[in-house]
Amino acid sequence: GAVVSQHPSRVICKSGTSVKIECRSLDFQATTMFWYRQFPKQSLMLMATSNEGSKATYEQGVEKDKFLINHASLTLSTLTVTSAHPEDSSFYICSARVGRDQPQHFGDGTRLSIL
Amino acid sequence: AQTVTQSQPEMSVQEAETVTLSCTYDTSENNYYLFWYKQPPSRQMILVIRQEAYKQQNATENRFSVNFQKAAKSFSLKISDSQLGDTAMYFCAFMKHVNQFYFGTGTSLTVIP
Repeated sequence: GAVVSQHPSRVICKSGTSVKIECRSLDFQATTMFWYRQFPKQSLMLMATSNEGSKATYEQGVEKDKFLINHASLTLSTLTVTSAHPEDSSFYICSARVGRDQPQHFGDGTRLSIL
Repeated sequence: AQTVTQSQPEMSVQEAETVTLSCTYDTSENNYYLFWYKQPPSRQMILVIRQEAYKQQNATENRFSVNFQKAAKSFSLKISDSQLGDTAMYFCAFMKHVNQFYFGTGTSLTVIP
């Protein structure tokens, strides 16, 4: 149980393109999902907390207009990197919790490469 | 502020041997949760083990066990009978409230055949 699916696993696109990443909880409902960014050989950096039916909560230093988050249902959150540039290239991971005091379960991640 | 410290950036262990990964944290809270996650080269984050702060008994999951010292704010992971598949980055994580989750900087573990 507690499977989180993330799609796509890899994206390569030109500079200026907008890229959408989906995060789905397959066998449970997640009122809250989390989006992380990870640079090579570094830890996960929380970007934002995605709340179903309301606006996402962004961490300090994360551009809201650059990284659009939508959590339209209890099983789906999307992260859209708008007008992506090479510096946005990174590994993006989403996670979700089954319940309040439960650990986070992670998707497989998306490797984004902007040319 | 909560911080999670992993003082060992890299470690190696011989196959079938035992290795211990260190983690310390700083908090003024009394109730919280601690986790160890594994990230193999495939990059998927996998939950290895969890510990509730209110439980005195150390958590165990097969070959993985923790040494939780609440007073010392220490949460080390012991891997017994190390296997090649244990090669991965290991992250210690602290959870306080609903959406407050903090990761350490990670320890890269290599199991040597």
